[in-house]
Amino acid sequence: EIVMTQFPATLSVSPGERATLSCRASQSVSRNLAWYQQKPGQAPSLLIYGASTRATGIPARFSGSGSGTEFTLTISSLQSEDFAVYYCQHYNNGWTFGQGTKVEIK
Amino acid sequence: EVQLVESGGGLVHPGGSLRLSCAASGFTFSFYEMNWVRQAPGKGLEWVSYTSSSGGTIYYADSVKGRFTLSRDNAKNSLYLQMGSLRAEDTAVYYCARAGTDWFFDLWGRGTLVTVSS
Repeated sequence: EIVMTQFPATLSVSPGERATLSCRASQSVSRNLAWYQQKPGQAPSLLIYGASTRATGIPARFSGSGSGTEFTLTISSLQSEDFAVYYCQHYNNGWTFGQGTKVEIK
Repeated sequence: EVQLVESGGGLVHPGGSLRLSCAASGFTFSFYEMNWVRQAPGKGLEWVSYTSSSGGTIYYADSVKGRFTLSRDNAKNSLYLQMGSLRAEDTAVYYCARAGTDWFFDLWGRGTLVTVSS
């Protein structure tokens, strides 16, 4: 089983600042990597797939990069609605989620 | 409206059974592969099970293999998860999730809570 590791576990950021979230796979997943956002009491929602393609309706301030085993989600200028938990997921012949990064208000 | 709506959760004793349902609407259900994903209270996401669009191919996580059975009824636009031999560690919100053009999950339901406790 491919293990997905996210870091940091918690990221404290001020509104308007840039946030960089990392995700590492225990073996190559090519670009079969998605990012999800989950707000309290809500279901997850798709942000990014294919490591870097924004899902429908996702603002341009969200960007993804990476391939193989190292991936990054960047939020260029945090808005109030972006404070949430973010999960990476590989879908390379199976599915595993990372443990999540909580982006909180500094 | 394109949506997934789960139902069937509740409180069940250890060793008991429960059947979850997921009703799809607003899209051609029979075209899509589907999944169940769960989230224990205060924890992260765990993939549980997958079905191909026809139901002919089904996969399970090791943690539920032999205890859970996934099925679908394309005529009723519905996905099911029959859960048996339930354990305390199965306590979670269970989400159904649609697989997009690749195997990522592009549509999620709101979830249904399953609590396993005596």
